[in-house]
Amino acid sequence: QQQVKQSPQSLIVQKGGISIINCAYENTAFDYFPWYQQFPGKGPALLIAIRPDVSEKKEGRFTISFNKSAKQFSLHIMDSQPGDSATYFCAASWAGGGNKLTFGTGTQLKVEL
Amino acid sequence: DVKVTQSSRYLVKRTGEKVFLECVQDMDHENMFWYRQDPGLGLRLIYFSYDVKMKEKGDIPEGYSVSREKKERFSLILESASTNQTSMYLCASTTGANTGELFFGEGSRLTVL
Repeated sequence: QQQVKQSPQSLIVQKGGISIINCAYENTAFDYFPWYQQFPGKGPALLIAIRPDVSEKKEGRFTISFNKSAKQFSLHIMDSQPGDSATYFCAASWAGGGNKLTFGTGTQLKVEL
Repeated sequence: DVKVTQSSRYLVKRTGEKVFLECVQDMDHENMFWYRQDPGLGLRLIYFSYDVKMKEKGDIPEGYSVSREKKERFSLILESASTNQTSMYLCASTTGANTGELFFGEGSRLTVL
C-alpha cells in the first residue's frame, strides 16, 4: 500500500535549471510533509518541510509547493547545481502517528554541467 | 552534533543465520526507528520504539524483531536471514515532540547469500 506516490523516479537537469519532483498522498490525516536528501553512502537528512496551513515554503534555492485540495506537494530546486545531485524522498506524517514517517519511493537527481 | 551510529556498515551472512544490527544515538531521543531501503521502493518502516522496552510493528515487520533495553540503543534482529532480506537498513531517531525530523544513521548494507 503506497500512501505517498513520488515521481519521477530519476531526473537529469542541466546546471542552472529548475528541478521539480512531485508527490501525491492519500491519507487526509497527514499534516506534516518533509523532504529528505540523501547522498551516496549517507543516511537521508531533512532538507525542508511544510505543514498544510501554508501553500508554499522557501528556503534558499529550495521551495515546497503544497496543494491541499489535490493532495499533492512538490519540491522545486532553483538554479540547480552539481552538488544537488542526490536522491530525494518526500514523506508525510500525522500528529497522531508519533513521528512515524511514510516515505515516497525516491527520485535520483543528477545535475549536469 | 546529532549522531546516530550503526556499528556495522557492511555485512555478508548466509541463509538461516541470525543477524543483529545495532544502532546507538547520543541525543537522548525517545523515539527510534528501523527502515529498510530498496531501489524503487523507497524507505519502508520495519519497527519503531517510543520508549525503553516498548516496540511497535511498522509496515513490513515479518521476519524481523527488535530490542530496546536502553534508551540510546535499538537493535534489529533477523532470526533466520533469507535472501529477500538483502537490503540497506537505516536506523533513525527523533525526540518525542511532533517535529517529524528524523536523524538517520549511515546505514547497514546486508547481503544474505
